[in-house]
Amino acid sequence: GENVEQHPSTLSVQEGDSAVIKCTYSDSASNYFPWYKQELGKRPQLIIDIRSNVGEKKDQRIAVTLNKTAKHFSLHITETQPEDSAVYFCAASSLRRKLIFGQGTELSVKP
Amino acid sequence: DTGVSQDPRHKITKRGQNVTFRCDPISEHNRLYWYRQTLGQGPEFLTYFQNEAQLEKSRLLSDRFSAERPKGSFSTLEIQRTEQGDSAMYLCASSFQNSPLHFGNGTRLTVT
Repeated sequence: GENVEQHPSTLSVQEGDSAVIKCTYSDSASNYFPWYKQELGKRPQLIIDIRSNVGEKKDQRIAVTLNKTAKHFSLHITETQPEDSAVYFCAASSLRRKLIFGQGTELSVKP
Repeated sequence: DTGVSQDPRHKITKRGQNVTFRCDPISEHNRLYWYRQTLGQGPEFLTYFQNEAQLEKSRLLSDRFSAERPKGSFSTLEIQRTEQGDSAMYLCASSFQNSPLHFGNGTRLTVT
């Protein structure tokens, strides 16, 4: 069935370093890949997304890359700041279908 | 403009009781989704609607769970004969067609 695997489950970095979170998906029909940030006790919020016709997308310090052949995609955060600390979720879906989420990565940015 | 609204924010109930949650999506959004999230896990898909039609329901969803969206606007999720394993955060999300999902703040259910 449809599945999204996310690694690592926890990630600790020093302020200013880069953080990378990786996801793989099983459904080859998937064509939409968003990333959500969830702070403690709050709703998941979309931070960036990518569609399958694009290999990379960047928005300031955040970038996402997609490798359709290998069925994996990654989130890259550069120049991390303490306010980047949160749980990050990747997800995948195909057109007109539901989002399947990964298990989450708890990112801790130490000042 | 208001985002996705969910009510109540918290619900404590005794095992065996029925509970109902409400979700009001963003007004122009035609798709509405229900997810369940437990501590340390990603949101788990339950069901989704396009307008008033329920298009998909998770195979993992017990028949104690039912959702409706009678007029294609707000939705309700009912859990009958609650069990302790139903304790979780229930998230609603909405979108317009294939636009990104916007989540509500969720309803936290505790079954004692």
